[in-house]
Amino acid sequence: DTEVTQTPKHLVMGMTNKKSLKCEQHMGHRAMYWYKQKAKKPPELMFVYSYEKLSINESVPSRFSPECPNSSLLNLHLHALQPEDSALYLCASSLGTGDQETQYFGPGTRLLVL
Amino acid sequence: GQNIDQPTEMTATEGAIVQINCTYQTSGFNGLFWYQQHAGEAPTFLSYNVLDGLEEKGRFSSFLSRSKGYSYLLLKELQMKDSASYLCAVRDSNYQLIWGAGTKLIIKP
Repeated sequence: DTEVTQTPKHLVMGMTNKKSLKCEQHMGHRAMYWYKQKAKKPPELMFVYSYEKLSINESVPSRFSPECPNSSLLNLHLHALQPEDSALYLCASSLGTGDQETQYFGPGTRLLVL
Repeated sequence: GQNIDQPTEMTATEGAIVQINCTYQTSGFNGLFWYQQHAGEAPTFLSYNVLDGLEEKGRFSSFLSRSKGYSYLLLKELQMKDSASYLCAVRDSNYQLIWGAGTKLIIKP
């Protein structure tokens, strides 16, 4: 089973709203990732959690706040977003972060900020 | 800097063979991945190469030459459902994935 699930599939929010994206995997993976992808562009790494600790933050604005409550769950809290933050937000997981670790992606949340 | 180059778009005919090339210049190398991404969907893992040579998986094969900084993805017996973007990604010395911009493959009947 290589399934990563994400909710919601679609989200429309205003610039003053607070919302959260959720990601879940039950593959025993210990690394989880958030990516942002704009149309016709490759995914851009935002955050990496390894063993439930934030290991990489790619200079992401503070209006994006990640949280890893346990090894199976990853959240992305959104607050005061801008229209340019509209994108597909992808969650991925891998067994670890070392050699030969393949990242498996969830279906993504398509976010529209008005 | 780090750079991965792939053709922007390719067109091929159903039933034929197509080769998508990827060249890379990265700070270190810890493997190369190919992903398939249909429009509006998440990338799905296709193949992984860390040693030189050819890896075959059904209709898809991937080749790597580390000395040349070069890989290709070979798709045989093309089907209409193979129309998608194909992303090449290299894991660098920090174990971070560096992504190419992707190659949009259009399959015609």
